[in-house]
Amino acid sequence: DQQVKQNSPSLSVQEGRISILNCDYTNSMFDYFLWYKKYPAEGPTFLISISSIKDKNEDGRFTVFLNKSAKHLSLHIVPSQPGDSAVYFCAVAGNTGNQFYFGTGTSLTVIP
Amino acid sequence: DGGITQSPKYLFRKEGQNVTLSCEQNLNHDAMYWYRQDPGQGLRLIYYSQIVNDFQKGDIAEGYSVSREKKESFPLTVTSAQKNPTAFYLCASSFDRIGNQPQHFGDGTRLSIL
Repeated sequence: DQQVKQNSPSLSVQEGRISILNCDYTNSMFDYFLWYKKYPAEGPTFLISISSIKDKNEDGRFTVFLNKSAKHLSLHIVPSQPGDSAVYFCAVAGNTGNQFYFGTGTSLTVIP
Repeated sequence: DGGITQSPKYLFRKEGQNVTLSCEQNLNHDAMYWYRQDPGQGLRLIYYSQIVNDFQKGDIAEGYSVSREKKESFPLTVTSAQKNPTAFYLCASSFDRIGNQPQHFGDGTRLSIL
């Protein structure tokens, strides 16, 4: 059972435009939602997170939106830059035990 | 520089052999994790440890074993019971096990069967 789904395996965007990466989850009990970025041959690095009590969190060019009723999470990158080209994983977490699940990733390519 | 070190970067195993993947962190984190990544799939949790001398099974623990004798170290042994061990293995750590604590990852070990 996949707790987290990223239905778009890849996305291409022109430099300067907005990139929107999407993530759907199944369990309404999750409390925290995170995005990680991964370059080839490296481990993922934490990008931005949001708790279930909020619906938006911004950090520079990165904004995460949470729609709890739809169980949907999105990451907006604006403006997109070629250095943003990477695989992006969403992750969901509860407060206890081993409730931590990653999506399958979306490979973003920003075209100069 | 604080971080997580995984070694080796590439590892080859003969059928029927056990192999141990190393993971060391100097971030003073209590919690540590092992994940497995297969092509087209997300990261799946193998084992995690919230504190020294304690560890819990994740979703795919069969065929794997771990130990946590020191705070800094969380080695993973892939045993001969793991029938499909070829994968990319990632170790991570976080301040604690609460979900809002971001995990810091090593650069991974790619294990292949000869």
